[in-house]
Amino acid sequence: GENVEQHPSTLSVQEGDSAVIKCTYSDSASNYFPWYKQELGKRPQLIIDIRSNVGEKKDQRIAVTLNKTAKHFSLHITETQPEDSAVYFCAARLQAGTALIFGKGTTLSVSS
Amino acid sequence: GAVVSQHPSRVICKSGTSVKIECRSLDFQATTMFWYRQFPKQSLMLMATSNEGSKATYEQGVEKDKFLINHASLTLSTLTVTSAHPEDSSFYICSARADTSTDTQYFGPGTRLTVL
Repeated sequence: GENVEQHPSTLSVQEGDSAVIKCTYSDSASNYFPWYKQELGKRPQLIIDIRSNVGEKKDQRIAVTLNKTAKHFSLHITETQPEDSAVYFCAARLQAGTALIFGKGTTLSVSS
Repeated sequence: GAVVSQHPSRVICKSGTSVKIECRSLDFQATTMFWYRQFPKQSLMLMATSNEGSKATYEQGVEKDKFLINHASLTLSTLTVTSAHPEDSSFYICSARADTSTDTQYFGPGTRLTVL
């Protein structure tokens, strides 16, 4: 089955800096890669996603890049703000109808 | 956006009792629902996939007789933790997907189970 590795496990940045979180996946057949933000005790919230036919996607301060050959994808957050502090999970999905397989998460702390 | 609810949000029970958790899609019909388990400061681990009207598919290592899943309608799936023990204490989260053409999964708010 699919396996998703995520790093770093923790990331501390100063407000205004950029943050990058990286994930690798094992199954080349995976075709959908979402990123979720989870605040303590709350549900994961989808922040951005990318499909395998696209190499990059951007939404304001958030961007995701995908390298299918290397089987890795990354989340980029620019101009970080304290409210960006949360746990971020990457995920991969093999095909429509199957479940998301999550990475272990990255705890992002943005200090002002 | 699509809304998924879970009930209860929090439950405390004695060891040996059974607990039922409901997951509802409020404004769409969910052909598939997924159940995840999350331990403190850890990732979401997939427990099972349930399709409306059929038996759930459990992940390796998840006891189907202990974690009973029923997906009787397009808007409701239930997870029953039978004969709960302290090691079953966890955060249980469901997610729902509308149909096979939809990538997005919508998560419920989760249920915090504490078994004494």
